Amino acid sequence: GNSVTQMEGPVTLSEEAFLTINCTYTATGYPSLFWYVQYPGEGLQLLLKATKADDKGSNKGFEATYRKETTSFHLEKGSVQVSDSAVYFCALSDRSSNTGKLIFGQGTTLQVKP
Amino acid sequence: DTEVTQTPKHLVMGMTNKKSLKCEQHMGHRAMYWYKQKAKKPPELMFVYSYEKLSINESVPSRFSPECPNSSLLNLHLHALQPEDSALYLCASSQVLGREDQPQHFGDGTRLSIL
Repeated sequence: GNSVTQMEGPVTLSEEAFLTINCTYTATGYPSLFWYVQYPGEGLQLLLKATKADDKGSNKGFEATYRKETTSFHLEKGSVQVSDSAVYFCALSDRSSNTGKLIFGQGTTLQVKP
Repeated sequence: DTEVTQTPKHLVMGMTNKKSLKCEQHMGHRAMYWYKQKAKKPPELMFVYSYEKLSINESVPSRFSPECPNSSLLNLHLHALQPEDSALYLCASSQVLGREDQPQHFGDGTRLSIL
């Protein structure tokens, strides 16, 4: 079945460091891929998305490229800030089932220290 | 600011109480979702509504009863809950079911505690 695997956290970085959070997926067909961010005490916010191979999603300095050959959608940011501390979820949309069901990774906690 | 509004933000209830969670969106979305999220875990899908009709029930216990009175509103009625039901309950919406390229938009959730 469809699944998403994220690198385990927590990831702890100093401010202005480079961030990579790895995400790989298993899916039939061609899913859409998403990164969501959850700040403490809040719901999930869409960070970026990509709907087909080689698409690059970007938002607020974050980027991720849909790599079909490696079934990956790694999240990157060139210079993190303390305000980026949150939990990041990689997700795919289960296109084959037509249910709208999102398959989430386990989440990666990012802690950015000043 | 989130475009999906959930009330209340916090709810504490006893196991014999009856309460309701409410969710509202004004984006014209026709698919709405309830999720349950335990601490440090991803959200788990509970129910999906499409054009105000229940489309998916992910084998949720009957003590949770969803309702979609119109295209903007989604309720979750709670009765005789158990301590393990304590969690963050998230509502989400998307344009229509089957448009998997369109993202789901989440509210900030209701944090539920069962005494």
